[in-house]
Formats: sequence, C-alpha cells, structure tokens
Amino acid sequence: AQKVTQAQTEISVVEKEDVTLDCVYETRDTTYYLFWYKQPPSGELVFLIRRNSFDEQNEISGRYSWNFQKSTSSFNFTITASQVVDSAVYFCALSESYRGKLIFGQGTELSVKP
Amino acid sequence: GAGVSQSPSNKVTEKGKDVELRCDPISGHTALYWYRQSLGQGLEFLIYFQGNSAPDKSGLPSDRFSAERTGGSVSTLTIQRTQQEDSAVYLCASSFSTSSGDQETQYFGPGTRLLVL
Repeated sequence: AQKVTQAQTEISVVEKEDVTLDCVYETRDTTYYLFWYKQPPSGELVFLIRRNSFDEQNEISGRYSWNFQKSTSSFNFTITASQVVDSAVYFCALSESYRGKLIFGQGTELSVKP
Repeated sequence: GAGVSQSPSNKVTEKGKDVELRCDPISGHTALYWYRQSLGQGLEFLIYFQGNSAPDKSGLPSDRFSAERTGGSVSTLTIQRTQQEDSAVYLCASSFSTSSGDQETQYFGPGTRLLVL
C-alpha cells in the first residue's frame, strides 16, 4: 500500500529562520513520483516540485530546496530565510507511474511570523 | 494560458438534494482528476479520467457519487441525495500524459466548496 506521512502538523517560525518540512513515504513500486504542493490561505493548491524515483539529486530553487533520500524513503523540503508569504499548508504527495492518482500526506501548516 | 477552472466556487444545498460540480481542465491536458478535501479526511482521490480509457473510480466513497467527462474535456461530478458528510472542498486537477502513458504534473483548480445543511 502507498502512504505518505507528514509528522509535523504545525510549525511556527519567525521570519528569516530556516525551516524543514518532513515527508516520509511508503510504496512497493520501483518507479514513482514525489511532489510538494503549497496551499496558501486562498485555498488553491500550487505545484512546487516533482521528482522521479530514479533521480536522487537534491534540488534548489531560490530559497527552496529538497532532499530526496531513497534509503530512508524521505523527501524533505527546506525553506531558507523564511518569509511571511511562505505561510501556508504544505502537502507532500506520491504517485505511482502510470496510475496517476496522488496520495497526499496530511499536510504541515507553516506559520511565519514577522 | 488559462488554468483549471471550476464552478461554482461555492455551493450550499439541503440534505437529500443532488448537486453537480463542473471542471474545465487546462487545454490539451488528457488526464483529469477529482479529489476531495475535508477536515477529517485530508486530501483524498475520487476519480481519474485518462483519454478514452475507462475511468478509475476506485476512490468514489459511495454509489451516490458519479462523474463523467464529455468530449475528453469538461467533467461533471454529481453527488446524489447529498449527506452532511459530503461537505468538503472538491478539487479538480488536470495533467498532460506522455506518449508512453506516464503521467505529468497535476495542476489544480480553485475548488468548489460544498456545504450540505
């Protein structure tokens, strides 16, 4: 069975702090995709990143970085120098190739205070 | 280009009534998905359409839920005899599918907030 666990329900930081959101997944497939989505207070899910199970290279995009480790089945997301606009609920998700549907974690609500 | 659009944005209905929710996917996207987001259950998959293939209905919670996709584009999710537990945000997403059948990234619409009184 596929499962995504985001153990951190809520995180609160002060602006400019670095913060890491954890994501652990379970799947029996050897080919799969991992995603992070952001859901700001407006409610719309915004795509952040998609990684293939064969590509374990870490990725950096501005203040965002992602650490994919197959050995620990984790796909963690770090925001460097957080800003108030980063306040949102962040979802980690898994999809198995050719099946399409996303299995979401429960989400981590990040609050960045000025 | 335009993103995924959904209508209505909000819907209030009485228990027992039927409702229809509409989704317009991104032009050219061959795959369309419906998800539901509720406080107790988080984000859960409902149904998936891919081209002309039979839809994957494995996530539909009961036979009161159905969906169709006409002409490979617009989709309608229908909930019959609504119950209070159907209250949730219904999200639609679409994606492009490669020639090998692999799925690309899903892009989500703004959702329809359904309240069943």
